[in-house]
Amino acid sequence: DIVMTQIPVSLSVTPGQPASMSCKSSQSLLHRDGKTYLSWFLQRPGQSPQLLIYEVSKRFSGVPDRFSGSGSGTDFTLKISRVEAEDVGLYYCMHSLRLPLTFGGGTKVEIK
Amino acid sequence: QVQLVESGGGLVKPGGSLRLSCVASGFTFSDYYMNWIRQTPGKGLEWISYISGNGDGEKYADSVKGRFIISRDNAKKSLYLQMNSLRPDDTAVYYCATTAALDYWGQGTLVSVSS
Repeated sequence: DIVMTQIPVSLSVTPGQPASMSCKSSQSLLHRDGKTYLSWFLQRPGQSPQLLIYEVSKRFSGVPDRFSGSGSGTDFTLKISRVEAEDVGLYYCMHSLRLPLTFGGGTKVEIK
Repeated sequence: QVQLVESGGGLVKPGGSLRLSCVASGFTFSDYYMNWIRQTPGKGLEWISYISGNGDGEKYADSVKGRFIISRDNAKKSLYLQMNSLRPDDTAVYYCATTAALDYWGQGTLVSVSS
């Protein structure tokens, strides 16, 4: 199985400031179709996870443009350009290169 | 809008069975393959099963293979998870989610396995 590792475990951010988190996979997530199957999810307190980013950098419908994803191969980054109060929660990366889909352990974002 | 509503969770004894349901609305259910994912405080998010749009293909995580069965009824826009031989480590919140990208999730249903 592909192992997904996220750092840091937690992040405390001042509103309006940027935030960045990392996700590394144990194998390249580049498929032979040319796409890289890495997604990011946000789980707000008391809610189910919601898709933010898919295929490394494509924002899902309705996701604000302050969220951006980048990376390739095995190293990926999620950036929030200006953190808002509603961005608090757990951020997970996940690969969908093949089954089983696996998730990282999450990065917890808190507001200072 | 897309909505997924899970039900069927509860408290069950080790070795027991439970059937989860997920009712979909807001999209053409039969066009999409569906997944079950579970979440525990200890193990985090774990994908456990998927089924193709017409129901002729399914896959399972090793942790549930041979014990859980995924199925769907496209006429009822419903997804199911039959869970047999339940163990304490199956205790989790169970979510249904759409497609390979897991683009929409339900609110989850809690399954507790304890004597």
